[in-house]
Amino acid sequence: NAGVTQTPKFRVLKTGQSMTLLCAQDMNHEYMYWYRQDPGMGLRLIHYSVGEGTTAKGEVPDGYNVSRLKKQNFLLGLESAAPSQTSVYFCASSYSSRYYEQYFGPGTRLTVT
Amino acid sequence: AQRVTQPEKLLSVFKGAPVELKCNYSYSGSPELFWYVQYSRQRLQLLLRHISRESIKGFTADLNKGETSFHLKKPFAQEEDSAMYYCALRGYSGGGADGLTFGKGTHLIIQP
Repeated sequence: NAGVTQTPKFRVLKTGQSMTLLCAQDMNHEYMYWYRQDPGMGLRLIHYSVGEGTTAKGEVPDGYNVSRLKKQNFLLGLESAAPSQTSVYFCASSYSSRYYEQYFGPGTRLTVT
Repeated sequence: AQRVTQPEKLLSVFKGAPVELKCNYSYSGSPELFWYVQYSRQRLQLLLRHISRESIKGFTADLNKGETSFHLKKPFAQEEDSAMYYCALRGYSGGGADGLTFGKGTHLIIQP
C-alpha cells in the first residue's frame, strides 16, 4: 500500500507557464483534497472531491482547476502560474464522510519565478 | 467564517514536564475537531479527534464548547514528541465532505 502519492516532488515554473500536479491513492477512498501551505501558515483548502466526476471549491480556489476522472486520481492544474502560487501543495484523501481521517501525501514544493 | 487559532508558534519544554498546546476555534455550528502532527521528514498524520475521546501517545484533548477550545495535553513530555502540531476543524455546510480548516501550527520542542 503506497497510500497517497504526489507527482512531482519539486517543480520550478516561470510566470505564465502551466502545469498539473497528480495525486493518486490506492486506499479506495471516496474523498480527496488539495491544500496549499505557505510559510508560517496552516494548510488551506483549494479544492476537494466527494467522488469520481465531482469537484468543489475550497477556501482558496482562484487560479486552480481540478479534475477527478478516476476515483484514485485527483489532478490540480495551474493554467497560468503566478509567483503568488509558490507554495507547498498537499493532497489528502479520506474514506468517507463518516470515517473522516484524512491521509496526506508527502507534498509538492512549487516555485514560480 | 470558521477559524482555528493556535496562539503559540513555538513551545519549548523539558523532557518530563507537562505539555499543553492551545487551540481555539470559531464556528457557528457543532464542530468536529482534530489534532494532526508532522514529525521531522514525515507526512502529516492524524493524532486524535475529539469524538473518539481517546488517548494517543499519552496525549489527550477535550473539547470545551463554552470556551471554544480544544487544547492538547500530555502530562510528561518525551523527546520523541518534538514535532509540528496542527489543530484542525471540520465544518459542515450540508455537503458533509468539506475539508479541514487548519491552525497555523505549533512547533513543539522537547529539550533533554
